[in-house]
Amino acid sequence: SAVISQKPSRDICQRGTSLTIQCQVDSQVTMMFWYRQQPGQSLTLIATANQGSEATYESGFVIDKFPISRPNLTFSTLTVSNMSPEDSSIYLCSVEQNTGELFFGEGSRLTVL
Amino acid sequence: GENVEQHPSTLSVQEGDSAVIKCTYSDSASNYFPWYKQELGKRPQLIIDIRSNVGEKKDQRIAVTLNKTAKHFSLHITETQPEDSAVYFCAARYNFNKFYFGSGTKLNVKP
Repeated sequence: SAVISQKPSRDICQRGTSLTIQCQVDSQVTMMFWYRQQPGQSLTLIATANQGSEATYESGFVIDKFPISRPNLTFSTLTVSNMSPEDSSIYLCSVEQNTGELFFGEGSRLTVL
Repeated sequence: GENVEQHPSTLSVQEGDSAVIKCTYSDSASNYFPWYKQELGKRPQLIIDIRSNVGEKKDQRIAVTLNKTAKHFSLHITETQPEDSAVYFCAARYNFNKFYFGSGTKLNVKP
C-alpha cells in the first residue's frame, strides 16, 4: 500500500489563526480525500482533492474555511482557516489505491484554544 | 443520500465469543464495502473488504457478508481476543469513488 505522510502530526493553535496540513504520498494516486474525525466520532468526508482543479466539498464544508490544494498526484494540503475551538479534531488525508482500497495517513491532531 | 448506518455503537463480549457488527447503506449503486479497525490514537486500518459481486469473504477469524438486495453488510469476528478491542467502522463507496463511513462500534473483549 502507499505510504502516506502527514504533517504536522499535532499542533496547538490559537483561536482566529489558520493552519495548513500537508499530505505526501510515495506514489501517484488519482483520488485523494480529506476527512475530519472529531473526538469520539466517526470519519466525516470534508472534500475530494482534485489534481489541477478546485476541490469538491461535501455539504457543510466550504472552501473559505477549508481551502485545499492539489498541485500534483502525490501531494495535497488542507488549511483550516480562522480556527475556533470547534475545529479541534483529527484531520486525515486518505488515498484510494488502484485496487480501490482506501488508506489513511496518520492524521493531524489539532487543538484550538 | 450518502448514508451508512452502523450498529451497535458499543459491543462487549467475553474472550472467545463471536462479535457481529451490522451496517446498511442507501445507494444501490455502491459496489465496495470496506471495514476498518481503529485503535486508540491511531489511524483507521483496513482489515477486510467485500465487493458487490460476492456474498461473503473470510480472512482467518474475520468475515464479511453482503446482502445487496437488503443493502446491508456485516462484520463477523470469531474467537475474539483482547487485542480485538478497538473501534470498528464500516464504509461504502459511493459516486465519484467517495467513501462514507458508519458511526463506529466500540468493541470490548473481556479477558
